Amino acid sequence: KAGVTQTPRYLIKTRGQQVTLSCSPISGHRSVSWYQQTPGQGLQFLFEYFSETQRNKGNFPGRFSGRQFSNSRSEMNVSTLELGDSALYLCASSPGGLQVLHSPLHFGNGTRLTVT
Amino acid sequence: LAKTTQPISMDSYEGQEVNITCSHNNIATNDYITWYQQFPSQGPRFIIQGYKTKVTNEVASLFIPADRKSSTLSLPRVSLSDTAVYYCLVLLTSGTYKYIFGTGTRLKVLA
Repeated sequence: KAGVTQTPRYLIKTRGQQVTLSCSPISGHRSVSWYQQTPGQGLQFLFEYFSETQRNKGNFPGRFSGRQFSNSRSEMNVSTLELGDSALYLCASSPGGLQVLHSPLHFGNGTRLTVT
Repeated sequence: LAKTTQPISMDSYEGQEVNITCSHNNIATNDYITWYQQFPSQGPRFIIQGYKTKVTNEVASLFIPADRKSSTLSLPRVSLSDTAVYYCLVLLTSGTYKYIFGTGTRLKVLA
């Protein structure tokens, strides 16, 4: 089985711009969740999508948004970029049913976003 | 909201057993604890998971005491390739479920 694929691997953007990151989950996985990883704050949960609906979200401003398509692929968007948004953005997939919420997450290798 | 803390770093020698502890509070009986390993420029990779007592697989063991205020990842006989950052993840299921990552432990294995 192919793993979780994130594109692009690297991005450099300017403050004020917006960016879209993409994530393709493992085949058959219906849940996709997004995380921000920074040296200062560590790994933080952004939001999770299941069957094209946002099922859960962390404590991030509304500039961070996402969506999921019918094939479970997901995109994350950050608008009005700030310097502090520089981070490694990771997505993870899992089977996703509420009965198996505890199923291990399968992570992609992330998108490294640098905001200048 | 639970807070999970881990030692910042640990050093070990090849062949030794390494134990990394994750301290957490306010977790319910059915809240799962999962451990991940992360190498530079890669996403975290699943190691082991459990919610009570002891779990063992081919690469690690996970110990969860009865008070559930901590969990310990045990890596038997580490090798140089185990040098990585290790994270615990607590899945809180009371109310709206939440994923809380630990602060991460940087393990360095020395020859």
